[in-house]
Amino acid sequence: QSVLTQPPSVSAAPGQKVTISCSGSSSNIGNNYVSWYQQLPGTAPKLLIYENNQRPSGIPDRFSGSKSGTSATLGITGLQTGDEADYYCGTWDISLSAARVFGTGTKVTVL
Amino acid sequence: QLQLQESGPGLVKPSETLSLTCTVSGGSISSSRYYWGWIRQPPGKGLEWIASIYYTGSASYNPSLESRVTMSVDTSKNQFSLRLTSVTAADTAVYYCARFGRGKWSFDYWGQGTLVTVSS
Repeated sequence: QSVLTQPPSVSAAPGQKVTISCSGSSSNIGNNYVSWYQQLPGTAPKLLIYENNQRPSGIPDRFSGSKSGTSATLGITGLQTGDEADYYCGTWDISLSAARVFGTGTKVTVL
Repeated sequence: QLQLQESGPGLVKPSETLSLTCTVSGGSISSSRYYWGWIRQPPGKGLEWIASIYYTGSASYNPSLESRVTMSVDTSKNQFSLRLTSVTAADTAVYYCARFGRGKWSFDYWGQGTLVTVSS
């Protein structure tokens, strides 16, 4: 059972915006960097956002990240059919011996 | 371009030991800038971190798996490995190896994953 909670699913039409929340606590999100991963069907996860709001090279600026207190948010604007995937937040938890932890995952559906 | 490739048996019997190796190419496993880790994903479920290791051999483990897990690193072969003992059907999953950057504080490169099924 994950210590980071995400909504099971979100959906929107092409071109629209979606946001995905990741809720944690002071022992994880509240005091550590958050990263976000995109997992397209049948593939390995791919890093989308690191250090709360930084994009690796090659990740379009349609993807954005933010953090406030013990929650983090991933935003996707200009939604495309190719964005249909599972998205996971991640950080580490100091109450669990600095274990790396992932969120429960959110399925994004493009209507 | 950095690449990670998992290898090992795709089928393990209950109560036996699961052993996987990750071979790193296109970069050195001995860099002080990175940790190396294992993450798994049961069919239809989310990601679970298993363990991470530094090139010196210093490892950290998921508390829920710690009693059954051992990670090791072989810098001469640019490989790191995972051993999970006393497996059950609940250990059936796709196992990924990945690099964790100390700068980005995230898993920035992943292997393609390998499905390990626990069944008699």
